[in-house]
Amino acid sequence: EDQVTQSPEALRLQEGESSSLNCSYTVSGLRGLFWYRQDPGKGPEFLFTLYSAGEEKEKERLKATLTKKESFLHITAPKPEDSATYLCAVQAGRDDKIIFGKGTRLHILP
Amino acid sequence: DAGVIQSPRHEVTEMGQEVTLRCKPISGHNSLFWYRQTMMRGLELLIYFNNNVPIDDSGMPEDRFSAKMPNASFSTLKIQPSEPRDSAVYFCASSFIPGELFFGEGSRLTVL
Repeated sequence: EDQVTQSPEALRLQEGESSSLNCSYTVSGLRGLFWYRQDPGKGPEFLFTLYSAGEEKEKERLKATLTKKESFLHITAPKPEDSATYLCAVQAGRDDKIIFGKGTRLHILP
Repeated sequence: DAGVIQSPRHEVTEMGQEVTLRCKPISGHNSLFWYRQTMMRGLELLIYFNNNVPIDDSGMPEDRFSAKMPNASFSTLKIQPSEPRDSAVYFCASSFIPGELFFGEGSRLTVL
């Protein structure tokens, strides 16, 4: 069965303190790995797509990387407005099913 | 574009009642997804459609749940009869590019 596991479940950082979130996956035939951001009371918002090992994508203070077994979301010098839940999702097999991990709740302290 | 529109935003009902959640996807998107989110289980895929056709409903919990997409601009998720364990936030999402989902604001369901 396809599985997506995110760690840590929650992370508190001081403003400016860089860190990384992890997403490990067990799927047959990965077609794409996706990162989303979710603010309280809102639906998830798409951030990045990664298709193959070695690929990297960047957006402001966020950088996503992909290996054959996991993905990392690196947050450089975060600001309080980066506080949110970050969700990882995968698309595997021959259909368009998108499976999400449970997310990492990130809190940046001013 | 107004984005994915869901209604109602909040619904409180009593056990045994029928619940209908509605979704209007973004125009031009050909895939539509229904997810349920709880603290314990995270985001669970219930069902998804391609070009209005249900492709995979293996995530639908049981026969009490049903979903329809009569046309490209409207979908419903129905729960009949509802139970307290159905309490959750239900999200609808649409996409054109696989994996790049646009989510609605969600419908928060409370079953007493």
